[in-house]
Amino acid sequence: AQSVAQPEDQVNVAEGNPLTVKCTYSVSGNPYLFWYVQYPNRGLQFLLKYITGDNLVKGSYGFEAEFNKSQTSFHLKKPSALVSDSALYFCAVRDGGATNKLIFGTGTLLAVQP
Amino acid sequence: GAVVSQHPSWVICKSGTSVKIECRSLDFQATTMFWYRQFPKQSLMLMATSNEGSKATYEQGVEKDKFLINHASLTLSTLTVTSAHPEDSSFYICSASSLADEQYFGPGTRLTVT
Repeated sequence: AQSVAQPEDQVNVAEGNPLTVKCTYSVSGNPYLFWYVQYPNRGLQFLLKYITGDNLVKGSYGFEAEFNKSQTSFHLKKPSALVSDSALYFCAVRDGGATNKLIFGTGTLLAVQP
Repeated sequence: GAVVSQHPSWVICKSGTSVKIECRSLDFQATTMFWYRQFPKQSLMLMATSNEGSKATYEQGVEKDKFLINHASLTLSTLTVTSAHPEDSSFYICSASSLADEQYFGPGTRLTVT
């Protein structure tokens, strides 16, 4: 079964510093991986996805993620954090079935201090 | 593009009553819609997958008679929580996708059952 793990419940970073939110995956076959962000009392906003191709994927709001097959990781990164980046971040993997269900990680709360 | 709306954004109902939540894809035809439930500070749990014109597929542990899902058109799916109880209070999020495309999420509906 497909699954993703987000080992950190919360990540704290100072504004202007680089940030990393970790995600590891377990899949059978080729992984389709996603990152979403959720602000309080809101739905999920798509940040980026990896389907195939370059291991470094660039997404919205200056975020990027690096697909690492040997480490089965898909960490989310940003070179310089903003206070407005503070939110809940979810990593997800597409289920291998025909319905393209998403399996979500437990989420990581990113807190950027001014 | 790819906008998904939900109505209402929040609702308070009395125990024992039923409440309907609508999910609409505003600018594309959604062959598949998904319903998720999210408890505070937790991840999204998929409740069911619905394809236009057919019965919804419920995830294990989700009561299909309590959470009625209808996907009558390519732009509208509804979730009806029947005989609601306080434990049904939660944040309900829908998403929509076209064919095998990625999912686009609605803003969520906060249900409070008193």
